[in-house]
Amino acid sequence: NAGVTQTPKFRVLKTGQSMTLLCAQDMNHEYMYWYRQDPGMGLRLIHYSVGEGTTAKGEVPDGYNVSRLKKQNFLLGLESAAPSQTSVYFCASSYSVAGRAGELFFGEGSRLTVL
Amino acid sequence: KQEVTQIPAALSVPEGENLVLNCSFTDSAIYNLQWFRQDPGKGLTSLLLIQSSQREQTSGRLNASLDKSSGRSTLYIAASQPGDSATYLCAVRPDTGFQKLVFGTGTRLLVSP
Repeated sequence: NAGVTQTPKFRVLKTGQSMTLLCAQDMNHEYMYWYRQDPGMGLRLIHYSVGEGTTAKGEVPDGYNVSRLKKQNFLLGLESAAPSQTSVYFCASSYSVAGRAGELFFGEGSRLTVL
Repeated sequence: KQEVTQIPAALSVPEGENLVLNCSFTDSAIYNLQWFRQDPGKGLTSLLLIQSSQREQTSGRLNASLDKSSGRSTLYIAASQPGDSATYLCAVRPDTGFQKLVFGTGTRLLVSP
């Protein structure tokens, strides 16, 4: 039972390059999320999705795009990477009960460095 | 705006001690509260989820309580072990805008043998 899987786990980019982080969950969860974690800032929500084909902005969406073409996958894209996007990125998913989000499950994280 | 505070930021105890980690939140209109642990370089692992209608939840040596009216939750760890060393985070899900979990900045726990 894999849970939430993120790829890649590590990546180094140069300023201006683009890349995509992939998140896959095998728990049939409706809701999926992308967070970034920075020292002293805690976890901040970038984008989230409440179902296949839907996405919404979180607290810090600028510079990122997302897609949820399949229920089990949630992709996070950086179109033109900037050093400020150096961070650890976490994907998470949760079930929903009567339209309310339940327990949150996280992936292992993807460490991104932008030079 | 909901704010979540965890005090202390760091805690060091000898093995075998019982300990309490604190989490406070400013808006009592919450749907649920979740406690996580995070090991260095790893993701967050869910420990306990408390719904707003519940007072406490238990899992093994862990017990989490919730006092919604006073905006407080505690995580009690019995008979601490070196393997409990990690950062512990609490997060609240507001009753409105409910997808947006609000995290505390965590308590870093070190249990010495």
